[in-house]
Amino acid sequence: KNQVEQSPQSLIILEGKNCTLQCNYTVSPFSNLRWYKQDTGRGPVSLTIMTFSENTKSNGRYTATLDADTKQSSLHITASQLSDSASYICVVSGGAGNKLTFGGGTRVLVKP
Amino acid sequence: KAGVTQTPRYLIKTRGQQVTLSCSPISGHRSVSWYQQTPGQGLQFLFEYFSETQRNKGNFPGRFSGRQFSNSRSEMNVSTLELGDSALYLCASSLAGRGFGNTIYFGEGSWLTVV
Repeated sequence: KNQVEQSPQSLIILEGKNCTLQCNYTVSPFSNLRWYKQDTGRGPVSLTIMTFSENTKSNGRYTATLDADTKQSSLHITASQLSDSASYICVVSGGAGNKLTFGGGTRVLVKP
Repeated sequence: KAGVTQTPRYLIKTRGQQVTLSCSPISGHRSVSWYQQTPGQGLQFLFEYFSETQRNKGNFPGRFSGRQFSNSRSEMNVSTLELGDSALYLCASSLAGRGFGNTIYFGEGSWLTVV
């Protein structure tokens, strides 16, 4: 069964600090992996999308990495800001019909 | 360009009623997908339409239905509402749909509360 597991479920960090979110998946065959940011009560916004051949992709202070061999991805947030407080969702495409499998998300709270 | 537009933004319905939600995708996008999001379940896939045809369907009861029009606008309908249908309903649009490597854009969602 295709699954996407994210960790931690939630974390609190101080403004200005860095943090890393994890995403492990079992989706096979793999097509691509996406990270989304979702502010409370709003729709998710795309941060990055990576295919099999891409190891790293950045979007401002957000850097995603992908290890297709171990089926792991991480999202690193550098110099966190209060506006980074949100849920971050990992989405993996693949399997039969190239469907999307969503992770449960990591809720990040940045405190001043 | 304009993003994905969902209406209404908020609504309250009574158990047993039905509701219709609307989604206007980004111009040129032919794929529209619908998702249900609740605090405990995360994002759950409802269905995907591409060029007016339902291409994928999630594991939801038949009370949940949808359609797509020739201009790619889509509607979803929930009949005989239950308290558990209270959720944020999100619409997403993309060029090719499914998991192909094109960006998927989400709307702001429709908050449905069933009382």
